[in-house]
Amino acid sequence: DGGITQSPKYLFRKEGQNVTLSCEQNLNHDAMYWYRQDPGQGLRLIYYSQIVNDFQKGDIAEGYSVSREKKESFPLTVTSAQKNPTAFYLCASSHLGAEQYFGPGTRLTVT
Amino acid sequence: DAKTTQPNSMESNEEEPVHLPCNHSTISGTDYIHWYRQLPSQGPEYVIHGLTSNVNNRMASLAIAEDRKSSTLILHRATLRDAAVYYCILRFTTSGTYKYIFGTGTRLKVLA
Repeated sequence: DGGITQSPKYLFRKEGQNVTLSCEQNLNHDAMYWYRQDPGQGLRLIYYSQIVNDFQKGDIAEGYSVSREKKESFPLTVTSAQKNPTAFYLCASSHLGAEQYFGPGTRLTVT
Repeated sequence: DAKTTQPNSMESNEEEPVHLPCNHSTISGTDYIHWYRQLPSQGPEYVIHGLTSNVNNRMASLAIAEDRKSSTLILHRATLRDAAVYYCILRFTTSGTYKYIFGTGTRLKVLA
């Protein structure tokens, strides 16, 4: 079954710890995206990648890092430098320029 | 970057048509208009997209103004399962890459 998966669904961390969110797709899409969503708000772009081994910063990249070593995988690391990391994180993929397919999201809580 | 403006919320009766408006007055000629919807605690789901002409699919219709400064998503017969936040998005190209700008969305409430 083709799709995009994110794990885990819920994640709890202590302040000052780095944490990595997983995103995997088997849709053979070239492009992958990470968004952040705060309660009652829309989605804001963190990072995106159009091709393996290349990625660009989105609108709110500070405190985050990514890698794209494989076409299927685009993990996001939330570093201790991110001031307000508690949020709902969404990963998406698409053929270049086409509609995006979203994963189920990871809800990160940092205390 | 071009932006979209949508009403915060709308209500509709079940089985009736729903027209969800979106303004994008700063849209450029190559920007596509996409619509997604999101249920609580889920990822957004693609609904429809278009460039200049009106578009229909099994989920909805998209009506695009002639000057492309606004568009309307039309759900022909609202059901309770259509209650969601609907996002009007511009897909634009920058330096050969594709980006999607999400607005704050319209929360649609469907009344039984």
